[in-house]
Amino acid sequence: QKEVEQNSGPLSVPEGAIASLNCTYSDRVSQSFFWYRQYSGKSPELIMSIYSNGDKEDGRFTAQLNKASQYVSLLIRDSQPSDSATYLCAVNKPGGGADGLTFGKGTHLIIQP
Amino acid sequence: KAGVTQTPRYLIKTRGQQVTLSCSPISGHRSVSWYQQTPGQGLQFLFEYFSETQRNKGNFPGRFSGRQFSNSRSEMNVSTLELGDSALYLCASSYQGEGNTIYFGEGSWLTVV
Repeated sequence: QKEVEQNSGPLSVPEGAIASLNCTYSDRVSQSFFWYRQYSGKSPELIMSIYSNGDKEDGRFTAQLNKASQYVSLLIRDSQPSDSATYLCAVNKPGGGADGLTFGKGTHLIIQP
Repeated sequence: KAGVTQTPRYLIKTRGQQVTLSCSPISGHRSVSWYQQTPGQGLQFLFEYFSETQRNKGNFPGRFSGRQFSNSRSEMNVSTLELGDSALYLCASSYQGEGNTIYFGEGSWLTVV
């Protein structure tokens, strides 16, 4: 079983709609969870981090974490064409420090104008 | 505040050669980690340095090595290059206490011919 799994897509969403991206992880002791956005040919940029069960909102983005079910999701409201990118889910095991995030392979999101 | 700086941005090497990549972290960040990104394998953790010590290492052969200097700048070296080493090499920095959030540089694109 892969440690961090994401649907590779492409996920096509009309402009203005809500895009929902999902990620599951296998290590139950994982404690830190991150969403990164990566445009083609560019490096990943951090969108959200979440550490506790529940929702965390930042502008048009909402991260949701459910540790019991071992999944984390990212909702993008009012999707814009500029949101078209690959979204990477990353998980960090406990132990302190940036001791190596495990990334999913990413979901390719396409926002249709 | 300047971001993570990586040099060189692009390079082409021949099989059997070696390469050294450089990374300057965000000012004040003491942790530097390195990742390899390829279309097939996605983002994979190479190693992480903190206070000049390698703290964690991913599952890569010994041809991949790194070091960190007293000013937190880091270098990674790949010896005896193989075609499969062609990838985007990403450096990321982190400050202890910020929830393990890492910030990526723009990356070094390595092509091995």
